[in-house]
Amino acid sequence: GQQVMQIPQYQHVQEGEDFTTYCNSSTTLSNIQWYKQRPGGHPVFLIQLVKSGEVKKQKRLTFQFGEAKKNSSLHITATQTTDVGTYFCAGGTDSWGKLQFGAGTQVVVTP
Amino acid sequence: DTGVSQDPRHKITKRGQNVTFRCDPISEHNRLYWYRQTLGQGPEFLTYFQNEAQLEKSRLLSDRFSAERPKGSFSTLEIQRTEQGDSAMYLCASRPKDRLGTEAFFGQGTRLTVV
Repeated sequence: GQQVMQIPQYQHVQEGEDFTTYCNSSTTLSNIQWYKQRPGGHPVFLIQLVKSGEVKKQKRLTFQFGEAKKNSSLHITATQTTDVGTYFCAGGTDSWGKLQFGAGTQVVVTP
Repeated sequence: DTGVSQDPRHKITKRGQNVTFRCDPISEHNRLYWYRQTLGQGPEFLTYFQNEAQLEKSRLLSDRFSAERPKGSFSTLEIQRTEQGDSAMYLCASRPKDRLGTEAFFGQGTRLTVV
């Protein structure tokens, strides 16, 4: 079945540094979504990518969808303490909107 | 506040007992999903409703699990004869109608602990 892999599993970042988390699917995706989950919270939608090679930016966050629509990345610049949390990618393959989540990248920011 | 509400927020039960969780989606959303999340993992799909019809059920869902959405509004997830392996966060999410790839709005979840 379809699998979505995310690396790294953990990311310790010094405040002000940049980092990237990567997402790879075993199958071609119709779209990919990114969610952020704060400790003790629930997943909150960040963005959706649909087109091959698409790049979207949200302030310090840059999201990319691969040309083959099987991989994606999230790059955060100038990390802040508010970036703490777990970032999940979630791949969609059907018209019902079911999502296959990766295991997430847990981000810890050191002041 | 996402608008999806789940009840209860926490449930502790003894092994072998039955439990039922409720999800109230955003009112105009006809698509409703149940996911399960264990520590250190991403949410795992359990089942999907479009209005009152249950259109898909994960193979991971044993016969002890049943979900309903009788009037196409709120949904319930029941686990019979709970086992320790059922301990997890159960998340409900909803989406508006007929828009491929729209965001899923998650509720706060019900954290189940089976002792």
